[in-house]
Amino acid sequence: VQLVQSGAEVKKPGSSVKVSCKASGGTFSSFGIIWVRQAPGQGLEWMGGIIPFYDTTYYAQKFEGRVTISADKSTTTAYMDMSSLGSEDTAVYYCARELLDPRDVFDIWGHGTMVTVSS
Amino acid sequence: SSELTQDPVVSVTLGQTVRITCQGDSLRSNYASWYQQKPGQAPVLVVYGKNNRPSGVPDRFSGSTSGNTASLTITGAQAEDEADYYCNSRDSSGNHVVFGGGTKLTVL
Repeated sequence: VQLVQSGAEVKKPGSSVKVSCKASGGTFSSFGIIWVRQAPGQGLEWMGGIIPFYDTTYYAQKFEGRVTISADKSTTTAYMDMSSLGSEDTAVYYCARELLDPRDVFDIWGHGTMVTVSS
Repeated sequence: SSELTQDPVVSVTLGQTVRITCQGDSLRSNYASWYQQKPGQAPVLVVYGKNNRPSGVPDRFSGSTSGNTASLTITGAQAEDEADYYCNSRDSSGNHVVFGGGTKLTVL
């Protein structure tokens, strides 16, 4: 399985962005997809994830209400939609595959999508 | 601030052994996973669970846990091991995932 993410985005403050993550060479039946971001020069920040088979989503408290994670099982594509963007959201956004047993293990990562928020 | 604490910078002499640690209360009941990230690249899983390595990860990488501290040990560090290393596990509530702040490993 490979995770292929959509291309770089430049957004205005207050706008929204939607990043996609397509799982090629596999299905969604036995794993989850999580999203992690990394601001320039900073560490990794877990945002939340989805288990497509069960349509279950979960979010870090910081992003609850501002981020929506979804998945289209027919195209094996996951999405991360973030609204009310600010300059502090400028970061590389990664999707990763989460093993379901054990949990919290992210064994395959996308290449990352750079999102720049600037007026 | 992260609920998993890592030393920001660690150095090791080429060929020697180095231990990178990750501290947090949640580690008393949850295993940590470890990721290697080189500049401009996505993270790569190197160790998870009690002490498991994905296919393709050299056996010089190993993991362990004692009390509230998880450790990633590199036995015989190589120049290509120079990278940032992150641990992850659950937060203290057990409801969410958290990453450590990362450790920059320099191989001298």
